[in-house]
Amino acid sequence: SQQGEEDPQALSIQEGENATMNCSYKTSINNLQWYRQNSGRGLVHLILIRSNEREKHSGRLRVTLDTSKKSSSLLITASRAADTASYFCARDAGNMLTFGGGTRLMVKP
Amino acid sequence: DAGITQSPRHKVTETGTPVTLRCHQTENHRYMYWYRQDPGHGLRLIHYSYGVKDTDKGEVSDGYSVSRSKTEDFLLTLESATSSQTSVYFCAISAPGIRGSYEQYFGPGTRLTVT
Repeated sequence: SQQGEEDPQALSIQEGENATMNCSYKTSINNLQWYRQNSGRGLVHLILIRSNEREKHSGRLRVTLDTSKKSSSLLITASRAADTASYFCARDAGNMLTFGGGTRLMVKP
Repeated sequence: DAGITQSPRHKVTETGTPVTLRCHQTENHRYMYWYRQDPGHGLRLIHYSYGVKDTDKGEVSDGYSVSRSKTEDFLLTLESATSSQTSVYFCAISAPGIRGSYEQYFGPGTRLTVT
């Protein structure tokens, strides 16, 4: 079973639009992390948000965390074709991460 | 890839044969992990290690064993491969990121097909 569940499972947008992906989880967290995976490659860490934080920014990425709702969202602004990838949230449970099923994002040029 | 290599990168094997996948890191990180990735399931943790000869089970450990005799190498063994173990296997290490929280860095993956 997965502790993190992403929504939607797939998302298709035009270049320049914003992309929003959501993640829900079931138990308490130390932090929540977002990763990106290009087709056929390993995952790459994007951003981490601690349980006592509500929002973080990194370049065109904005992550929010609502611990009362046990949910997080990843916003990619002004998307580019190169943003096409799968995006995963992962709940940090100490020394282990529990990943969700991912959102497949396609950005059309 | 944070100095993480996996070998082999691709393997086709027959049901019932033993298979060993190798993960090698160059930066002496303490924690290492093996995941499998299947469509519809994301990444699932098989086993992890928190030091030489120190390992523990993850979510989907049945049918797998691991060994870590050196800091830099973490081996995943399928004692008798089954078709349900056809998957892409990723190794990862855990390293401190900004402000001390740990982030994981992944190897390139091994695509295993069991026929």
